[in-house]
Amino acid sequence: GAVVSQHPSRVICKSGTSVKIECRSLDFQATTMFWYRQFPKKSLMLMATSNEGSKATYEQGVEKDKFLINHASLTLSTLTVTSAHPEDSSFYICSARVPGLEPFFGPGTRLTVL
Amino acid sequence: AQSVTQPDIHITVSEGASLELRCNYSYGATPYLFWYVQSPGQGLQLLLKYFSGDTLVQGIKGFEAEFKRSQSSFNLRKPSVHWSDAAEYFCAVGIFSGGYNKLIFGAGTRLAVHP
Repeated sequence: GAVVSQHPSRVICKSGTSVKIECRSLDFQATTMFWYRQFPKKSLMLMATSNEGSKATYEQGVEKDKFLINHASLTLSTLTVTSAHPEDSSFYICSARVPGLEPFFGPGTRLTVL
Repeated sequence: AQSVTQPDIHITVSEGASLELRCNYSYGATPYLFWYVQSPGQGLQLLLKYFSGDTLVQGIKGFEAEFKRSQSSFNLRKPSVHWSDAAEYFCAVGIFSGGYNKLIFGAGTRLAVHP
């Protein structure tokens, strides 16, 4: 089956720094990628949707200047959390899809901001 | 507005017992429905999906789900639970919004299995 990877799997950073999370589709080209945020013991909240080569579409309430998304190629999307604060600590999950198929999910990235 | 409701936050069953996890959705068009499982600290694994056709869908790990349009439900079932089934289960509906196909997730049901 299709494989989606995320890097890093776990990151700890100081408050005020920026963190970049990568999402890669390893064996297929993803026309669309999604970024989700999951709080402890909570469901997944869709943050944004991105297509390769175009600007991401953010869900209501998500700060696009804080959560920068770059979908550089058909196999790579990055999420940068800028000027991170402790409240940004969360589990971030990406998914990737091709038309006609369900999305495939990455293993997630645990972000801890001190 | 589109939504997915999983009424049971936490369920505990004995190993070998049957299981049913409930899911109700709200969506005006024909839904695409999914069940995912998540182990602690892990990503999501697709158990099964419904796009069209037979309303009883078979998935991996012995799971099945039945789509009932009249009840707007897509309940997940397994006849005999194994200890390794302990995890978080998410129901999701695929919608078309803002020019994209997206997944809207329910709040999840945490399954505990007693030996």
